[in-house]
Amino acid sequence: DQQVKQNSPSLSVQEGRISILNCDYTNSMFDYFLWYKKYPAEGPTFLISISSIKDKNEDGRFTVFLNKSAKHLSLHIVPSQPGDSAVYFCAARASNTGNQFYFGTGTSLTVIP
Amino acid sequence: GAVVSQHPSWVICKSGTSVKIECRSLDFQATTMFWYRQFPKQSLMLMATSNEGSKATYEQGVEKDKFLINHASLTLSTLTVTSAHPEDSSFYICSAETGTYGYTFGSGTRLTVV
Repeated sequence: DQQVKQNSPSLSVQEGRISILNCDYTNSMFDYFLWYKKYPAEGPTFLISISSIKDKNEDGRFTVFLNKSAKHLSLHIVPSQPGDSAVYFCAARASNTGNQFYFGTGTSLTVIP
Repeated sequence: GAVVSQHPSWVICKSGTSVKIECRSLDFQATTMFWYRQFPKQSLMLMATSNEGSKATYEQGVEKDKFLINHASLTLSTLTVTSAHPEDSSFYICSAETGTYGYTFGSGTRLTVV
């Protein structure tokens, strides 16, 4: 059962525009969320996180929004750059049930120069 | 920052042989190491959690006798795929928990069993 879902397998955005990647989850006990970026043949690298006590976290061009009532989070990249082209995974954890994260299936972002 | 070095990055082996994958934390002590497997177009699926000095905890459906995990020190965890078969071909990746950023991942190992 996929507890974390990324329903868009791919996204194309023009350079300079905003990229919005979406993630939905089903477990209401999830209280910590991460976004990772992955290039081919490399391991994922951490991008940004948010805990359930917040609804927004910003780091440079990257902002993560959390809507707990909708069990939805999104990653905004502004402005998008060609180097942002990668696969983005969201992950979620329920701290009171262990340290393991559950990952979405990823969204492949292509930023067109 | 925290770095996990994973080797080999890719390996091809014959069916029935065993393959060992190593993950080393280079500049921090990894008390806990997570092992994931990713099939094409699927998400990272947690296989097992290993804690230094103790037996690994395997997720449901993962054969612990087939996927041997050893975490003998705070800087090294290994995954051995025993008697590999073509269906074991996958992308295997380790990660260690760090205090600040959640996880630090190794670069992954592409295993192909022929």
